[in-house]
Amino acid sequence: DAGVTQSPTHLIKTRGQQVTLRCSPKSGHDTVSWYQQALGQGPQFIFQYYEEEERQRGNFPDRFSGHQFPNYSSELNVNALLLGDSALYLCASSLRISGRTYNEQFFGPGTRLTVL
Amino acid sequence: AQTVTQSQPEMSVQEAETVTLSCTYDTSENNYYLFWYKQPPSRQMILVIRQEAYKQQNATENRFSVNFQKAAKSFSLKISDSQLGDTAMYFCAFMKLPGGATNKLIFGTGTLLAVQP
Repeated sequence: DAGVTQSPTHLIKTRGQQVTLRCSPKSGHDTVSWYQQALGQGPQFIFQYYEEEERQRGNFPDRFSGHQFPNYSSELNVNALLLGDSALYLCASSLRISGRTYNEQFFGPGTRLTVL
Repeated sequence: AQTVTQSQPEMSVQEAETVTLSCTYDTSENNYYLFWYKQPPSRQMILVIRQEAYKQQNATENRFSVNFQKAAKSFSLKISDSQLGDTAMYFCAFMKLPGGATNKLIFGTGTLLAVQP
């Protein structure tokens, strides 16, 4: 059973550029959440996708956008990159079951983004 | 807004000994979950243990146990018989319960645990 996968593993960009990160959820999962983990910090919630729509959003500017495809995979796009966007970007997937109060989030290994 | 605080940036323990990691949180919610996640150098975030706020009994998973004090908003992790493979960053996390949906996790800043041989 494949877990959560993310690509690429590492990425180097320059200020002002745009970047797209990809995530494939664990088999059977339909919800994808994205987190940003700056060096030495805990992950910060960016947004969550379910049924191809953004359902929740954290305190991130509109430069951060996403997409979910019919196969439940997801993309995170960041425009006009800033030095402060350098971080580990984590994707987490879960199964959204009506009536359940908790569904574990499984994390991918992350994409390390460096902005120069 | 909820916040999670981990006041121990780094800790060290000898192999086979016991160590306790501290976590405090702030919330006005009554129903929620608390978690401890482990992030080894491989970067993969792994769930260690989960505690439901409505349960008075502390959660236990093999060598890992928690001390959940709801009134004090304290949630510590005890690792018994520490092993070299326990070396990792440990994050305390909070999740509000909306019911029937997966909500966002709110993480602390982490504690780097080093298990010494």
